[in-house]
Amino acid sequence: DGGITQSPKYLFRKEGQNVTLSCEQNLNHDAMYWYRQDPGQGLRLIYYSQIVNDFQKGDIAEGYSVSREKKESFPLTVTSAQKNPTAFYLCASKPGQNSGANVLTFGAGSRLTVL
Amino acid sequence: EDKVVQSPLSLVVHEGDTVTLNCSYEVTNFRSLLWYKQEKKAPTFLFMLTSSGIEKKSGRLSSILDKKELFSILNITATQTGDSAIYLCALLLVSRAGSYQLTFGKGTKLSVIP
Repeated sequence: DGGITQSPKYLFRKEGQNVTLSCEQNLNHDAMYWYRQDPGQGLRLIYYSQIVNDFQKGDIAEGYSVSREKKESFPLTVTSAQKNPTAFYLCASKPGQNSGANVLTFGAGSRLTVL
Repeated sequence: EDKVVQSPLSLVVHEGDTVTLNCSYEVTNFRSLLWYKQEKKAPTFLFMLTSSGIEKKSGRLSSILDKKELFSILNITATQTGDSAIYLCALLLVSRAGSYQLTFGKGTKLSVIP
């Protein structure tokens, strides 16, 4: 089955620690996205990547970092510089810009809690 | 400022009721407007609307886009408890560089009670 796998589903970390959330897709999609979801806030874009080895900041990139070394993988690191990291993180992917398909497919999310 | 505004933010109805969820926006140069349903974790795609005035329908759900008045509605008829979810509206925007982004509203939390 094709899809997006996010891990871990639940993660606890102490203040001051960096943590990396994994996102892997086997849909052969070119574009990948990271969103953060807080209660009453909807989804806010953190980072996105249109192709391998390229990525751009979204609306709330401060305190986060990403890499896109492989087409299938787009890990997100939540650094200690992120002031309010406790949230639900969603990864998504989409076929390339020339495909004409503009629907994002989402993973099941990772819930990060900072103690 | 929010580019996509959904209303109401939450709604409680009884089974069998019909509901209308609203999504208004400010941006005019968008590619499409999308609706997603989020029950527990991953949002699942419902509709993509590109043209004004053309209704999209799937079972008891339907949606339409009004590009002149800058809004979209999502209708659910004969609601069931399984319709309880957060409904997300999003605009597909294209940057000058040609990259695609989805900008979401805050969502409407629908609760359907027996």
